[in-house]
Amino acid sequence: AQKITQTQPGMFVQEKEAVTLDCTYDTSDPSYGLFWYKQPSSGEMIFLIYQGSYDQQNATEGRYSLNFQKARKSANLVISASQLGDSAMYFCAMRENRGSTLGRLYFGRGTQLTVWP
Amino acid sequence: EADIYQTPRYLVIGTGKKITLECSQTMGHDKMYWYQQDPGMELHLIHYSYGVNSTEKGDLSSESTVSRIRTEHFPLTLESARPSHTSQYLCASNFLGARGDTQYFGPGTRLTVL
Repeated sequence: AQKITQTQPGMFVQEKEAVTLDCTYDTSDPSYGLFWYKQPSSGEMIFLIYQGSYDQQNATEGRYSLNFQKARKSANLVISASQLGDSAMYFCAMRENRGSTLGRLYFGRGTQLTVWP
Repeated sequence: EADIYQTPRYLVIGTGKKITLECSQTMGHDKMYWYQQDPGMELHLIHYSYGVNSTEKGDLSSESTVSRIRTEHFPLTLESARPSHTSQYLCASNFLGARGDTQYFGPGTRLTVL
């Protein structure tokens, strides 16, 4: 079964608008971390934001916030005030904190975000 | 955070050649990873290492091999490159901080095998 599901292959948003990228996850580990990465066309993976499974508050990093709904097992990324430079592929990932492969990440298939003027 | 270096950034090579993709980090991180990613697609873990002389295969079967003789260095080798190996290869290492293990990536190597 997929541990990370991103159901939106592509999203479009107008500049200065907010956009939500969906991510659901599947784990039986009570302790885990959730990550979002941005991959521009140049190919590098840029860490954006992190949410721990025991964190009470939603994570925020500048224009990025993570809408964490633990009971629904969702970790949606919200980008406020979109900019043209936000156009990129966005990956959701999860780290399970127990087991033999500590530290490895499970990635979703990504969402291609296009910001138009 | 981590500074992770990958060379070369781009490589075009003929079928049958042996190649080594370099990955290094200077932060003393124990955990390092190699991912393979086709354009616009998801990342597939192909190898990982938890320290010197420790290497494991990942989820995606790969004809490549890795070594970890020094903490800072995690090279990936293809003994005989084929067109099916054309892909982007991303190296990563884990930084243990307030968030627990956070994975940071190198810039990637885009490999084309003709």
